[in-house]
Amino acid sequence: AQSVSQHNHHVILSEAASLELGCNYSYGGTVNLFWYVQYPGQHLQLLLKYFSGDPLVKGIKGFEAEFIKSKFSFNLRKPSVQWSDTAEYFCAVNPGLKAAGNKLTFGGGTRVLVKP
Amino acid sequence: KAGVTQTPRYLIKTRGQQVTLSCSPISGHRSVSWYQQTPGQGLQFLFEYFSETQRNKGNFPGRFSGRQFSNSRSEMNVSTLELGDSALYLCASSADSYNEQFFGPGTRLTVL
Repeated sequence: AQSVSQHNHHVILSEAASLELGCNYSYGGTVNLFWYVQYPGQHLQLLLKYFSGDPLVKGIKGFEAEFIKSKFSFNLRKPSVQWSDTAEYFCAVNPGLKAAGNKLTFGGGTRVLVKP
Repeated sequence: KAGVTQTPRYLIKTRGQQVTLSCSPISGHRSVSWYQQTPGQGLQFLFEYFSETQRNKGNFPGRFSGRQFSNSRSEMNVSTLELGDSALYLCASSADSYNEQFFGPGTRLTVL
């Protein structure tokens, strides 16, 4: 069975600091990788995704993530955070075969608090 | 394009009752998935429907069921409710399995 682990449950940082959230997955085949964000009181939104190609992917709001296949990792980064980045971040994995359908496995989430 | 909509947004039931939640996907999306979000277990996959057929199923008891209609709208049903079923139930739609899923706002179910 596939699993996803996020290293930090809570992260507190100041505005303009850099952010890196770790994500490791366990799955024996091709995967599609996602980072979702849940702002306070809002629904889950897609930050970025990796299906294939360049392992460094850029998403919305200045976020990027790097897929390192050998390490089964998909870490999220942002060079300079803003107070509005306060949210919960979820890493998720889906089987990479079209026929497999959609069955996202999520990590436990990381709550990020950015202090003004 | 309108997003994924879920009704009702809030629901309070008592143990032993049953409940039906509804989800309308983004227009043109044929895949609808359901997830349960709780503080203790996080986000867990329930099932996925594609073209009116259940394509994937998570590790939930048979009390949890769903269906999809020809217009891609989906419903999920939970019978014989237990206190532990209290959760935020999220619906997500996508065009197919090689596309990202878009999530609705969820239905918050409280079981008393």
